[in-house]
Amino acid sequence: GAVVSQHPSWVICKSGTSVKIECRSLDFQATTMFWYRQFPKQSLMLMATSNEGSKATYEQGVEKDKFLINHASLTLSTLTVTSAHPEDSSFYICSARVQGYGYTFGSGTRLTVV
Amino acid sequence: GENVEQHPSTLSVQEGDSAVIKCTYSDSASNYFPWYKQELGKRPQLIIDIRSNVGEKKDQRIAVTLNKTAKHFSLHITETQPEDSAVYFCAASILLNDMRFGAGTRLTVKP
Repeated sequence: GAVVSQHPSWVICKSGTSVKIECRSLDFQATTMFWYRQFPKQSLMLMATSNEGSKATYEQGVEKDKFLINHASLTLSTLTVTSAHPEDSSFYICSARVQGYGYTFGSGTRLTVV
Repeated sequence: GENVEQHPSTLSVQEGDSAVIKCTYSDSASNYFPWYKQELGKRPQLIIDIRSNVGEKKDQRIAVTLNKTAKHFSLHITETQPEDSAVYFCAASILLNDMRFGAGTRLTVKP
């Protein structure tokens, strides 16, 4: 149980375009979703925390107008990278809090901006 | 906010030896400390976790110890095998809120 499905697993986009990443909780209600970014050979850095029906809370240094997070339902949270640039190329991964258990991660999205 | 430090950044051991990875945290309110194993391009996999009301937890070849006073926790892997080679991350959170990760340790187990 407690599975988060993340799509797409990889995406290549042109500089200046936007990319949407989806995370769906399949068998539980994800009231809170955490979004992380991981550059090669580095750790997972928390970008933002989203609660269903509320505005996301962004970490210091993360541009909220560039990384749009929507958590409109208990089973779906999305991250949109707007006007992507090569420096946004990274591994993006979501994580949902599961009451009484801990956290469950999506499978991650490898974004390459060319 | 919480700051998690992890050492060493790389660790190479001979198959069958033990491996120890150490982490410290800054926020005394943190009460959940998971350890993750991550293979290249994959999601982190939880291997063991410990809560602040417990000092030690063991699961077969893996154990975690927690010293709340000193604010540090450690991962111990005994009888290491080549398939244990991966990047390991420690993390800390308060009441399952935003989780902060350590910088990671690349473990190599040489056959």
